[in-house]
Amino acid sequence: DGGITQSPKYLFRKEGQNVTLSCEQNLNHDAMYWYRQDPGQGLRLIYYSQIVNDFQKGDIAEGYSVSREKKESFPLTVTSAQKNPTAFYLCASSISAPRDSKLAKNIQYFGAGTRLSVL
Amino acid sequence: DQQVKQNSPSLSVQEGRISILNCDYTNSMFDYFLWYKKYPAEGPTFLISISSIKDKNEDGRFTVFLNKSAKHLSLHIVPSQPGDSAVYFCAAMRLGQGAQKLVFGQGTRLTINP
Repeated sequence: DGGITQSPKYLFRKEGQNVTLSCEQNLNHDAMYWYRQDPGQGLRLIYYSQIVNDFQKGDIAEGYSVSREKKESFPLTVTSAQKNPTAFYLCASSISAPRDSKLAKNIQYFGAGTRLSVL
Repeated sequence: DQQVKQNSPSLSVQEGRISILNCDYTNSMFDYFLWYKKYPAEGPTFLISISSIKDKNEDGRFTVFLNKSAKHLSLHIVPSQPGDSAVYFCAAMRLGQGAQKLVFGQGTRLTINP
């Protein structure tokens, strides 16, 4: 089955530690995204990548880093600089948006998420 | 600055009745809107979308209405079923930007009572 796989499902971080969240997709999508969800809030964009070896900061990129060495993979590292890392992290992927809205199939597909907590 | 707002954190509806979830946006450049459904500890799943060139899109029990002048969209679920109980997010984007930079609302928790 095609889809997006996030691992691990639960992750604990010690103070001062960097942790990496995995995201793999087999949908042959060019674009991939990382979001963060906090209680009572919507999803906020951390980083996104339109193509291999290219990525852009989203709205809340501070304290995070990403890489996009392969089309299928877009790992997110939560660095020690992120002072409030406890959240639910969601990875998504999509086609690159076409210019013609009539042909738009602009759907982002999401993984099941990783819940990160601080010890 | 919250560009997409869902002002009702929660909504309770009786099974079989209509559920109406509302969403407002401030950025007039948004031209594509989506609704996602999310169960606890899972990723959101796509429900229905609408382009700004339309004012209505229907898919089975789900209909999305768009009022561009009011910068308002709504999701109607008829009839509501217990399995519809979830958090619903509306999202907005500008087409033709390459990657899809979705802006999400805060979500509305819908509870369908038997």
